[in-house]
Amino acid sequence: EVQLVESGGGLVQPGRSLKLSCAASGFTFSDYYMAWVRQAPTKGLEWVASISYDGGSTYYRDSVKGRFTISRDNAKSSLYLQMDSLRSEDTATYYCTTLQLRSRGYFDFWGPGTMVTVSS
Amino acid sequence: DTVLTQSPALAVSPGERVSISCRASEGVNSYMHWYQQKPGQQPKLLIYKASNLASGVPARFSGSGSGTDFTLTIDPVEADDTATYFCQQSWNDPRTFGGGTKLELK
Repeated sequence: EVQLVESGGGLVQPGRSLKLSCAASGFTFSDYYMAWVRQAPTKGLEWVASISYDGGSTYYRDSVKGRFTISRDNAKSSLYLQMDSLRSEDTATYYCTTLQLRSRGYFDFWGPGTMVTVSS
Repeated sequence: DTVLTQSPALAVSPGERVSISCRASEGVNSYMHWYQQKPGQQPKLLIYKASNLASGVPARFSGSGSGTDFTLTIDPVEADDTATYFCQQSWNDPRTFGGGTKLELK
């Protein structure tokens, strides 16, 4: 059974940093692209970043480029999101997802999410 | 970015058929996918590439469409289907989601 479990969320002041982690199990982690998708309170879903099988290629939405860094450790079956210079608009639940590249990319498995609140 | 427009909410009775629409601001070929999100839970993939049922999803769910207009159909609707349904396109970068349609049971 595929399991994705996020951790590292919390309350952080604007301008500070936070690092999210995602522990994966139940599948061969290195066989999947991975991604972070976020959802602001009572809002819709928004793709944040994705990473290739070996971490050699990374992709970001414009609003987080230069501030967020996605990475992975295949030996530990773990995905990460380093978030710097946080803004209030980054407040959201962050989901770790697998990214299925068939059909050019849909998100087939999701973790339960970790909440990030950016506020002074 | 490609904007996906969904109706905000629908209310139906159990046993009825419901169609949830998603309109794209530009063509996305058949690369539209659907997710179900129950209150307090993470989204779950229902349909990929317009009409393909994801593993373990009941055959009551089906998808159709191409280009700019897509539909998720549930027939018959059950009480457990109370949720918000999101569409997502993967033809244009960046991948984008619709605002979601909240399905309520009467």
